[in-house]
Amino acid sequence: NAGVMQNPRHLVRRRGQEARLRCSPMKGHSHVYWYRQLPEEGLKFMVYLQKENIIDESGMPKERFSAEFPKEGPSILRIQQVVRGDSAAYFCASSPPQDSSFYTFGSGTRLTVV
Amino acid sequence: AQSVTQLDSHVSVSEGTPVLLRCNYSSSYSPSLFWYVQHPNKGLQLLLKYTSAATLVKGINGFEAEFKKSETSFHLTKPSAHMSDAAEYFCVVSDHKRRYGNKLVFGAGTILRVKS
Repeated sequence: NAGVMQNPRHLVRRRGQEARLRCSPMKGHSHVYWYRQLPEEGLKFMVYLQKENIIDESGMPKERFSAEFPKEGPSILRIQQVVRGDSAAYFCASSPPQDSSFYTFGSGTRLTVV
Repeated sequence: AQSVTQLDSHVSVSEGTPVLLRCNYSSSYSPSLFWYVQHPNKGLQLLLKYTSAATLVKGINGFEAEFKKSETSFHLTKPSAHMSDAAEYFCVVSDHKRRYGNKLVFGAGTILRVKS
């Protein structure tokens, strides 16, 4: 079991470009969560998805950010027109449907906006 | 709403001495509580979790934590620090608003430094 796979590990984007972060959950896990860690801070919840459904996006910024978890393929966190303040580590986690306390985190994608 | 307060942003100990990382929580529900460790530029590793079973929870690498409802605390301890314990530690509470897919609320983190 390869665990939660995130790619890329590091991503550099210029202001105004788009950033796409990918997350493949653990085998058998159908719930995916995205968290953001700003410098010097703890992780903050962004969004919770199941296959083809967004269940809770209460932590997502209202503009430029979107997430999806299609029937096939990884979950994608998309940030349009990035700004310097988007620079952060973005972590994905997954859990099985029967135990949402059993989170497994990926290694994160570190986004740097220049 | 759930919240977590980690009382120390930095803790420094000598190798071989005890470690105490303090955490207080607030929860409207019977909480699930966790401690995670993050080494520099790495992902998060679960140290231990409390989910309403035994109040003294043993985790990996010799760490343990005690759930004290009366004090709303979940402090992390280790009898003897090792150099490899140097990292950032997060106390985390899970809300239980849904049957599935409950989000985690993180504390701000405590950076543990271990001196030789």
